[in-house]
Amino acid sequence: DAGVIQSPRHEVTEMGQEVTLRCKPISGHNSLFWYRQTMMRGLELLIYFNNNVPIDDSGMPEDRFSAKMPNASFSTLKIQPSEPRDSAVYFCASNSDMNTEAFFGQGTRLTVV
Amino acid sequence: GESVGLHLPTLSVQEGDNSIINCAYSNSASDYFIWYKQESGKGPQFIIDIRSNMDKRQGQRVTVLLNKTVKHLSLQIAATQPGDSAVYFCAENMGSGYSTLTFGKGTMLLVSP
Repeated sequence: DAGVIQSPRHEVTEMGQEVTLRCKPISGHNSLFWYRQTMMRGLELLIYFNNNVPIDDSGMPEDRFSAKMPNASFSTLKIQPSEPRDSAVYFCASNSDMNTEAFFGQGTRLTVV
Repeated sequence: GESVGLHLPTLSVQEGDNSIINCAYSNSASDYFIWYKQESGKGPQFIIDIRSNMDKRQGQRVTVLLNKTVKHLSLQIAATQPGDSAVYFCAENMGSGYSTLTFGKGTMLLVSP
């Protein structure tokens, strides 16, 4: 398996623009997580899906952030409109059962200027 | 002006030394713990895990110790190698019944040849 695949690897955008980050979880995994990593706050869980259903979105910072999982093999994280403080590395991770390790993608480095 | 960011605790060791990285977790109900390694430009990678019914678990060159009384985890790396240089995170499952992991702030390990 190729692991969790994220795209793009790098994104530079202007403030106010819409940004869409993409994730393909490991085949067979039924849980998917979006994390954000910054120097100030470390790794923060944004949202968690189980069987394509959002279970916990309490980490989503504000209404500008939204996430979808239309099927078991694809998820998106959208920021609209983007702001400079959204600059971070965004990771997608997946796992197959409760209380097991999550497998992370390589991340998307987002820079909003 | 100078930006204020998160200054990671750093452990500097010589190649061949044993390393011990410590972590304090927050939730006494947590029942599953993981150590992740994150190299520059990559996503976190699973190293070793331990469940709350255990005090110690060994892997290849790594050992995790769990002290539930003081809510403390440690990762011991034997015969540390330059390739072990990375940021190490502990993560806990908050015992909610779901798969979400909460990550610590991380420790940077620097191994000198």
